[in-house]
Amino acid sequence: GIQVEQSPPDLILQEGANSTLRCNFSDSVNNLQWFHQNPWGQLINLFYIPSGTKQNGRLSATTVATERYSLLYISSSQTTDSGVYFCAVASGGSNYKLTFGKGTLLTVNP
Amino acid sequence: DAGVIQSPRHEVTEMGQEVTLRCKPISGHNSLFWYRQTMMRGLELLIYFNNNVPIDDSGMPEDRFSAKMPNASFSTLKIQPSEPRDSAVYFCASSFGGRGNTIYFGEGSWLTVV
Repeated sequence: GIQVEQSPPDLILQEGANSTLRCNFSDSVNNLQWFHQNPWGQLINLFYIPSGTKQNGRLSATTVATERYSLLYISSSQTTDSGVYFCAVASGGSNYKLTFGKGTLLTVNP
Repeated sequence: DAGVIQSPRHEVTEMGQEVTLRCKPISGHNSLFWYRQTMMRGLELLIYFNNNVPIDDSGMPEDRFSAKMPNASFSTLKIQPSEPRDSAVYFCASSFGGRGNTIYFGEGSWLTVV
């Protein structure tokens, strides 16, 4: 099956700093989503982005499908950005079947 | 708009007991997913329904697990009999269209089997 690798595994920032999270995947995809799992366990969809670039406030994401990676940018980080960020991908006719990476644990300190 | 609603939020049960988890998807969504999250295995898809019909149950661990979707606004995941290794967070999620669309998760049901 498709492999998803996220980096870095852990990241500690001071409030106000910017960061880039990376997601590499082993095969072509037609479904890629980024999620944030907050410290209370809630999974929130950030972006549906199988290709191209999207922005939502301080967050933006870019997927370069031909090179099999996606980037999530967080600018001016806040303590509420803390949590685990997951990249999930799917491909082909089973593009409902998301394979999740292991996530990046982000801690933003005040 | 209400999001995906799951119940119970937390359940502690004894080994051998039946566990039923419930889910109400977002109104208008026609695809429903059950996921399980553990430290060891991360997030795994258990079963996928489209228009109330199970499309892919290849992730259901074994016969002790069963899922139903009797109508568009309700689904259950049942474990009978439960075992300690079933302890996990079970998430229900829904989307419109299913294939390649944004998926929305419920808050999860935290199950502990002792």
